[in-house]
Parts: sequence; C-alpha cells; structure tokens
Amino acid sequence: EPEVTQTPSHQVTQMGQEVILRCVPISNHLYFYWYRQILGQKVEFLVSFYNNEISEKSEIFDDQFSVERPDGSNFTLKIRSTKLEDSAMYFCASSVGAGVSNEQYFGPGTRLTVT
Amino acid sequence: AQSVSQHNHHVILSEAASLELGCNYSYGGTVNLFWYVQYPGQHLQLLLKYFSGDPLVKGIKGFEAEFIKSKFSFNLRKPSVQWSDTAEYFCAVNALGTGRRALTFGSGTRLQVQP
Repeated sequence: EPEVTQTPSHQVTQMGQEVILRCVPISNHLYFYWYRQILGQKVEFLVSFYNNEISEKSEIFDDQFSVERPDGSNFTLKIRSTKLEDSAMYFCASSVGAGVSNEQYFGPGTRLTVT
Repeated sequence: AQSVSQHNHHVILSEAASLELGCNYSYGGTVNLFWYVQYPGQHLQLLLKYFSGDPLVKGIKGFEAEFIKSKFSFNLRKPSVQWSDTAEYFCAVNALGTGRRALTFGSGTRLQVQP
C-alpha cells in the first residue's frame, strides 16, 4: 500500500539555524499538507499546497516558514531561523483531491528538536 | 472557526471492556469527521470517516462511530478492546463550505489497555 514518507525521522538543530524537512507524498495525490504537534499538545495545521502554490495556511505559518515542491516527488518544509518553540513533531500529509473525499494520509513524522 | 473537544485525555481499560471516546465539535455547517489512531512509534492512521449518509460508520479493527448532528458529536466506540488497541486516538473535523481543507484536531485521548 502506498505511503507518505518523511525524512529525517529526527532532526536536532541549534536555535537560529535553518532546517529543511522532507516528505514524499503518495504519487497520485495532488494536495499536500504540513501539520505539527508540540509535545503534549494537539496536532495543528500549518499549510496546504496545491498546483505549486500555497492554498491555505494557518497563523502559525509565518515568514519563517516556507514550502516547496522542488521536483515531481518531494515536498519540503523549510524553517529559516529555528526557535526553541519550533521543537515539535512535524507531519506531512497528502490527499487525492479537494472534494468531499478529503481523506488525508499522514507520514510518520519528523521530530525536530531545537536546542 | 471550528474546534474539536475530546473530553477524555487518558483512558485505562482492561481487555474485553467496552470503549467509548467522546468527541464534540463546534461548527454550524456541514462537516467531514474523522478518527485517527497513532500507535506507539507509528504515524497517524485513519480509523474511520464520516462524509454523509448513515450516521453510524464502521471502520477498521472493529471500531465504529456515530455522528449525532444535534449534539455536534462523533463518539468512537468498540465493544471489546484488545491490548493491541493501546494507542492515542484523535478526532478531527473538516468544515465544508469554507474552502478550507485543513483538518482541525482534538487534543487526543491516550488509551491504555491492560491485559
């Protein structure tokens, strides 16, 4: 069964550094998402992406964040200058379409630790 | 904006006990409803979903959920839990008619099943 994959599984970085989290969505999916979960808190939506542009973003997704689909398979989340409060589990998800069948398939997550 | 409440943060049950996890959402319009499960060390997996039609939906692994529109609820049930059901369970909502595809998650319920 096709799966969403994410790399790395765990990333440790120092405050102020840039990080890029990578995701490979399911191949025939058209919509891509990033969510995050700070330890002990709920899963929060960050951004959705369709047709090579951001279709929706939350208030969390400020200028420090950016997303890109650099080629036909990868979908990346970049944090320009990490802060301690960016430490969280970051989940990538993808869905086939945008209609009522908005079933999102999640990847295993990348645990980001900012020190 | 929609929100999701999961009332039980941590539930401990013995094997064969019945399970009901509460989920309430706040949104006046039409919604898609989901339950996701996260087994220890694994990614979010879809248990079941409600889009329309029969308000009693059956999912994988013997789980079911009932959508009660008048109560804005979508409670998850299982008649007899197993040790392997130990996991974190998340209720999620997608509000239709808003143009948003983002899922809004509840804070999760950690289920611990004792053998």
